Amino acid sequence: EPEVTQTPSHQVTQMGQEVILRCVPISNHLYFYWYRQILGQKVEFLVSFYNNEISEKSEIFDDQFSVERPDGSNFTLKIRSTKLEDSAMYFCASSDESGTGELFFGEGSRLTVL
Amino acid sequence: AQSVTQPDIHITVSEGASLELRCNYSYGATPYLFWYVQSPGQGLQLLLKYFSGDTLVQGIKGFEAEFKRSQSSFNLRKPSVHWSDAAEYFCAVGAPTNAGKSTFGDGTTLTVKP
Repeated sequence: EPEVTQTPSHQVTQMGQEVILRCVPISNHLYFYWYRQILGQKVEFLVSFYNNEISEKSEIFDDQFSVERPDGSNFTLKIRSTKLEDSAMYFCASSDESGTGELFFGEGSRLTVL
Repeated sequence: AQSVTQPDIHITVSEGASLELRCNYSYGATPYLFWYVQSPGQGLQLLLKYFSGDTLVQGIKGFEAEFKRSQSSFNLRKPSVHWSDAAEYFCAVGAPTNAGKSTFGDGTTLTVKP
């Protein structure tokens, strides 16, 4: 069964460092998303991406964040200068052409900022 | 703005007993509704979804949910719980304009007693 894969599974970084989280969505999907889940809290929408551009972003997704689809398979989330409060599990998700919102999630990348 | 309330933070049931997890949503029109399950250290897996039509939807692993517009609810049920059902369950609502931008509830943690 096709799946969304994410790397790394866990990254530890120092405050102020840049981090790139990578995702390989399901190959025929056209809609891509990043969500995050701070430990013990709810899953929060960060950004959606379609047709090579951001379609919507939340207030969490400030100028420190960016997304990119550098080639036909990868979808990345970059945090330019990490803060302590960026520590969370980051989930990539993709959705098929129908755009019905059924999200297929990866297993997540845990980011720890020290 | 859309929102989701899961009133029960933690539920404990005995193996073989029935289960109902509550979900109430707030949205101006008919939303897209989802239930996801998250096992420890894992990503989110879709259990079932409602877009339109029959208000009783069947999902994977023997789960079902019923959409009740009058009560703004989308409760998840299972007639007989198995130990492997122990996990965290999230209800989510998505707008048809960007259904992948889902708003999640706080989640309900299910513990199954032998």
